[in-house]
Amino acid sequence: DTTVKQNPRYKLARVGKPVNLICSQTMNHDTMYWYQKKPNQAPKLLLFYYDKILNREADTFEKFQSSRPNNSFCSLYIGSAGLEYSAMYLCASRRLGGRKEQYFGPGTRLTVL
Amino acid sequence: GEKVEQHESTLSVREGDSAVINCTYTDTASSYFPWYKQEAGKSLHFVIDIRSNVDRKQSQRLIVLLDKKAKRFSLHITATQPEDSAIYFCAASMRGSSGNKLIFGIGTLLSVKP
Repeated sequence: DTTVKQNPRYKLARVGKPVNLICSQTMNHDTMYWYQKKPNQAPKLLLFYYDKILNREADTFEKFQSSRPNNSFCSLYIGSAGLEYSAMYLCASRRLGGRKEQYFGPGTRLTVL
Repeated sequence: GEKVEQHESTLSVREGDSAVINCTYTDTASSYFPWYKQEAGKSLHFVIDIRSNVDRKQSQRLIVLLDKKAKRFSLHITATQPEDSAIYFCAASMRGSSGNKLIFGIGTLLSVKP
C-alpha cells in the first residue's frame, strides 16, 4: 500500500482554537513532511520528521508543532488558529537513502472562521 | 530566500501536440529537480526527476531538460493525451539548516483538448 492517509479531509476551526491534523503511512518511511498550500501559491514546507527528529522551518517555527508517536503517524498542531492558517495541508513521506520521490496524501482543507 | 519560478500558470494544447513547462531556480547548489502531477481531486504524485549530473532524461512520453548555466529546467510532454490534463509542479532541492528540502513552483494547469 503506497498511500498516505490524512484525517480529516476537511476541517472547520474558530479563530483562537487549536487544530490537530493527522497523517499516516504504512510504507515504513523514515521521513514525513508537512506542507501548506494556499491558492495560487507553491506548496510550502512547514516541518519534517526524520525518524524521531523534528525539523521546523525558521519562518514558521513558532506557528506549528508536530509529534510522531510512531513510524506510521505524524500530526500537525496549531495552538491558536488565525485566519491566515486557512489553507490545504499536505502530508508527504519518503525513505531517506532510497528513491527521492515523496508520496503525498490527499490533503486536509482547513478553514478558519 | 531561494525560489523556483514556474513560468506558465496555464497551458492549453491540442491532443497529440507537445506541451512544454518551464521553470527557473535561484540556488546554484540545487542538484535534484523532480516534477509532480496533480489530477483533479487527487494527491500530488511523482512523475519524473533529473539530477544535476545529466542534462536530459526521458521516461516514455516525458522528457526533462536541465540547463545548469541558465538555472532552468523544463518538462516536455510529447504526443499529449487527455489524461495528461492536470496541474504540474516543478521543484528544486535546497540545502537548509535542517537538511535537504524541496522548493516548489506554483504549478501549471495543463489542459489537453481533444
